[in-house]
Amino acid sequence: EADIYQTPRYLVIGTGKKITLECSQTMGHDKMYWYQQDPGMELHLIHYSYGVNSTEKGDLSSESTVSRIRTEHFPLTLESARPSHTSQYLCASSGVGHEETQYFGPGTRLLVL
Amino acid sequence: AQKVTQAQTEISVVEKEDVTLDCVYETRDTTYYLFWYKQPPSGELVFLIRRNSFDEQNEISGRYSWNFQKSTSSFNFTITASQVVDSAVYFCALTSNSGYSTLTFGKGTMLLVSP
Repeated sequence: EADIYQTPRYLVIGTGKKITLECSQTMGHDKMYWYQQDPGMELHLIHYSYGVNSTEKGDLSSESTVSRIRTEHFPLTLESARPSHTSQYLCASSGVGHEETQYFGPGTRLLVL
Repeated sequence: AQKVTQAQTEISVVEKEDVTLDCVYETRDTTYYLFWYKQPPSGELVFLIRRNSFDEQNEISGRYSWNFQKSTSSFNFTITASQVVDSAVYFCALTSNSGYSTLTFGKGTMLLVSP
């Protein structure tokens, strides 16, 4: 059973606001990921990290940024939210091996007005 | 490049029917791993199964079963005697030993089970 948490679960915010989506895991996993999921269901990897001070951009270009200062924490920040950022954001983590399963948090549903 | 295809966008069945969700994958790697996840309406992705490329044994877990066939590059998922609680979006995914081994997801199949 995975222990990965995301806050807030739901967020409605106005255009131009800065927001940070929180993701924490208590499993000691080195790898963490952020996915964006559009209403059509498809999942897009936007950021990932292989450990502290490591961050990489994913397959989908995103205006968000991430940081990894602590193993258990992988926050995602949008400096200036726009309606096009409206989506569900899913955080995941996994162990270090290639075969390791990714475990997902409950997601944050973001609506930018 | 890796690719996962879930050709069925949406499937509707009546409770107690059996249903199979198809997954076809493409990879050049000889060692790879296949996954199925379930996403109920609440939104989180729930891990169901992981299978490595060297293990072609089918797996059964309760009403769920998985059929892995390397010859056809398929990893299909069958739900026997479906229930309303099975209604969800199901994702098939692939990772390999090459590169950064991020997961490649299919586009998902939405399963609607009606009473």
